[in-house]
Amino acid sequence: GQNIDQPTEMTATEGAIVQINCTYQTSGFNGLFWYQQHAGEAPTFLSYNVLDGLEEKGRFSSFLSRSKGYSYLLLKELQMKDSASYLCAVVDSNYQLIWGAGTKLIIKP
Amino acid sequence: IAGITQAPTSQILAAGRRMTLRCTQDMRHNAMYWYRQDLGLGLRLIHYSNTAGTTGKGEVPDGYSVSRANTDDFPLTLASAVPSQTSVYFCASSPGPQETQYFGPGTRLLVL
Repeated sequence: GQNIDQPTEMTATEGAIVQINCTYQTSGFNGLFWYQQHAGEAPTFLSYNVLDGLEEKGRFSSFLSRSKGYSYLLLKELQMKDSASYLCAVVDSNYQLIWGAGTKLIIKP
Repeated sequence: IAGITQAPTSQILAAGRRMTLRCTQDMRHNAMYWYRQDLGLGLRLIHYSNTAGTTGKGEVPDGYSVSRANTDDFPLTLASAVPSQTSVYFCASSPGPQETQYFGPGTRLLVL
């Protein structure tokens, strides 16, 4: 079967750094997406990794290790507006997205 | 229209009734998708379309049907609604099947 694992919930402090992990077991791999979803809103695209390594985009970075079936999203200089759910999704061998259940990130002042 | 829109925003539906959720995009994307999102389960693919005129079944297609008569529109129909179809439904589109997906605002459906 196909499986995406993420922590259900994390808490961090404003101004700090947080790392959200995602591990996957899928039939094939054609890339990994991270999306942000604020409560009551639609998911919005954050990052895409298809090769191993770190992709940096402002305060957000995403890392991929295909051999380990592992990715993480790193958020720096946390702001209150970063309170949201973060969804990991893998493109499988049929070019369909397999979604994790998401990690709810709570930012405290 | 800018991006992708869905209608209605929310709906309360009696069990057994037929309902069509509408989705329209103006980005000329080839691929479109319907997901449902339930608490703790993440997004689950109902149906998809890689190009106008073609559709495919996702992870949870039973009880739902779709059509793709043109590039812009991708309606989702519940032939006879049941309470287990209570969910938030998101439509999405992407330029191609494995590319970044852009989501509509969602339809919140309650089936009683």
